[in-house]
Amino acid sequence: GQNIDQPTEMTATEGAIVQINCTYQTSGFNGLFWYQQHAGEAPTFLSYNVLDGLEEKGRFSSFLSRSKGYSYLLLKELQMKDSASYLCAVMDSNYQLIWGAGTKLIIKP
Amino acid sequence: ETGVTQTPRHLVMGMTNKKSLKCEQHLGHNAMYWYKQSAKKPLELMFVYSLEERVENNSVPSRFSPECPNSSHLFLHLHTLQPEDSALYLCASSQEESSVPGELFFGEGSRLTVL
Repeated sequence: GQNIDQPTEMTATEGAIVQINCTYQTSGFNGLFWYQQHAGEAPTFLSYNVLDGLEEKGRFSSFLSRSKGYSYLLLKELQMKDSASYLCAVMDSNYQLIWGAGTKLIIKP
Repeated sequence: ETGVTQTPRHLVMGMTNKKSLKCEQHLGHNAMYWYKQSAKKPLELMFVYSLEERVENNSVPSRFSPECPNSSHLFLHLHTLQPEDSALYLCASSQEESSVPGELFFGEGSRLTVL
C-alpha cells in the first residue's frame, strides 16, 4: 500500500528552528508537496520538490531524498503565525496525490 | 482569499435531510476536487472533475452526489448521511498542464455535522 508518515504534533519556541520530517512509500514518484493549514482555514501550497536537494523560499526550506523516500520542511526564525498544521503529500505514478495526516506545529513564546 | 469560495461554512443536518455544498473558483482553472478531512487523518479524495467531466470517484458512498455544471462551479449533494460523515469538506481547483502538477488551491471548507 501507499503510505506517508509524519509526526502528529511538534512544539517549538519563537525565534528558533524546527524541522518537520516526512517519509513515504508510494507507487512511483512525481513530486513531493508541503502545504500549510491554519486552524479553520484552507490549506495553502508551500513547496514542491521533484529533484533531490534543498529548495529555499525565505524562512522555509524543503529537502528531498528520493532514494531514502524522505523529505523535511525546515522553518527558521519561527514566528507565532507559523503555528499551523503542515501537510506532506506525494504525487504517485498515476499523478494522484497521497497525503499524510499532517503535523500540528505549536509555537511557544 | 485563495480564489476558491465554499458555502456554507458550517452545516448541521439530520440523517434524513437533503442539503448541498457549493464551491466556486475564480482562478480560471480547469479541474476541481472534493476532499474529506477528518481529524488526524489524511485528506481523502472523493471526486475529481476535469474539464467538467468526472474522472475520479474513489468508492464514495452514493449518499454523496457531485455535480459540476461548468468549470467554475462544483456542488456536493448530500442525502441520508450518517454521523460518521461529519467532517470538513474541502473543495480545491487546479490548472492541468501546470508547471507544478499537484498545486491545489483550496477553499476554507464546509464543516458538516450529521446528527
